[in-house]
Amino acid sequence: GAVVSQHPSWVICKSGTSVKIECRSLDFQATTMFWYRQFPKQSLMLMATSNEGSKATYEQGVEKDKFLINHASLTLSTLTVTSAHPEDSSFYICSAPRTGGVEAFFGQGTRLTVV
Amino acid sequence: DAKTTQPPSMDCAEGRAANLPCNHSTISGNEYVYWYRQIHSQGPQYIIHGLKNNETNEMASLIITEDRKSSTLILPHATLRDTAVYYCIVRVATYNTDKLIFGTGTRLQVFP
Repeated sequence: GAVVSQHPSWVICKSGTSVKIECRSLDFQATTMFWYRQFPKQSLMLMATSNEGSKATYEQGVEKDKFLINHASLTLSTLTVTSAHPEDSSFYICSAPRTGGVEAFFGQGTRLTVV
Repeated sequence: DAKTTQPPSMDCAEGRAANLPCNHSTISGNEYVYWYRQIHSQGPQYIIHGLKNNETNEMASLIITEDRKSSTLILPHATLRDTAVYYCIVRVATYNTDKLIFGTGTRLQVFP
């Protein structure tokens, strides 16, 4: 079946640095991908919609200059957390639906810890 | 998309059926009911979806009331590996180019 892969699974970085998270659809093309953030014991919060070949669409309250999204190809979207701070520590999850399919496929998530 | 209401937590004995309710009283006629689950520290996993009729697959059954204002996800023989947070989502499209908005979900604990 279709698989979505995220890399890295976990990352620790220092405050002020930037971190890039990759989301790949392994056996299908995804013109749209979604990025979510999840804090402990909370639900998934949609951050943005990544569109291949065009600008990402951000949800209200999400800083587009802080969370840079690049959908470079039909199988790859990246989320870069710029100038990370401890409050950015969270579980980041991507989703890549297969066009015409009925289910969304999720990556395994990336746990970011900013120290 | 319509809002859903789920109990925050439920327990179920291993081998018994787990019945997870969801209220979606403001659902529109063209909105589908989807269920996903999230096992700890993993990405969500699709379970099942439906519009009006009851649905069954290898994972679960979905029972939707006639007025479509509520539904129940049934795991017929719960195992310890079914311990997870279960999310009920209503949305317009079946094609997943549309975003999924997650509510608070139900934390199901299956015990031996």
